[in-house]
Amino acid sequence: AQKVTQAQTEISVVEKEDVTLDCVYETRDTTYYLFWYKQPPSGELVFLIRRNSFDEQNEISGRYSWNFQKSTSSFNFTITASQVVDSAVYFCALSEAGSGSARQLTFGSGTQLTVLP
Amino acid sequence: ETGVTQTPRHLVMGMTNKKSLKCEQHLGHNAMYWYKQSAKKPLELMFVYSLEERVENNSVPSRFSPECPNSSHLFLHLHTLQPEDSALYLCASSQVGDRIREKLFFGSGTQLSVL
Repeated sequence: AQKVTQAQTEISVVEKEDVTLDCVYETRDTTYYLFWYKQPPSGELVFLIRRNSFDEQNEISGRYSWNFQKSTSSFNFTITASQVVDSAVYFCALSEAGSGSARQLTFGSGTQLTVLP
Repeated sequence: ETGVTQTPRHLVMGMTNKKSLKCEQHLGHNAMYWYKQSAKKPLELMFVYSLEERVENNSVPSRFSPECPNSSHLFLHLHTLQPEDSALYLCASSQVGDRIREKLFFGSGTQLSVL
């Protein structure tokens, strides 16, 4: 069975600090997909990134970067120079769905990030 | 118009009421989902409608009944709910078959309170 663990329930940082959100996953599949979503107070989950298991290249998008380590089953998310608008709940998710079937994501319990001015 | 629209945004109902949550997606996707988000718990997949096939989480009680009349609309019918059913109910959609880019697009959710 698949499982996603986000050990950090809440994190508070001061604006401009860097912050890393941890995500550890468990799966028996050799092909799988990892996601990060952001949930601001409005409630809607906003897609941030999708990573395929066969692509271990790390990715940077502006102030966001992701470190995928297959050896430790981790997919950590770093925000550089955090801003107040980054305050939200961040979810890591895993999918093992095969071809032609709907994307059934298993979510972690989320990390509440608060960025203080 | 946002990609996935849910109504109502907030709902308060008694345990004997019958109500329905509505979701509409404007993205041309072929799969729709209901998720339940309870406080301090992972999002829980309740139902999936994909390519005219329905998949459900066996742990979801029968007092929740989904309906998907077409690929753009999804309903969640509620009856005789319990206080522990109070949660944020999120609808999502995706394009099944797009293996390179497929991801879920979520609505803003319906915050349900059962008294």
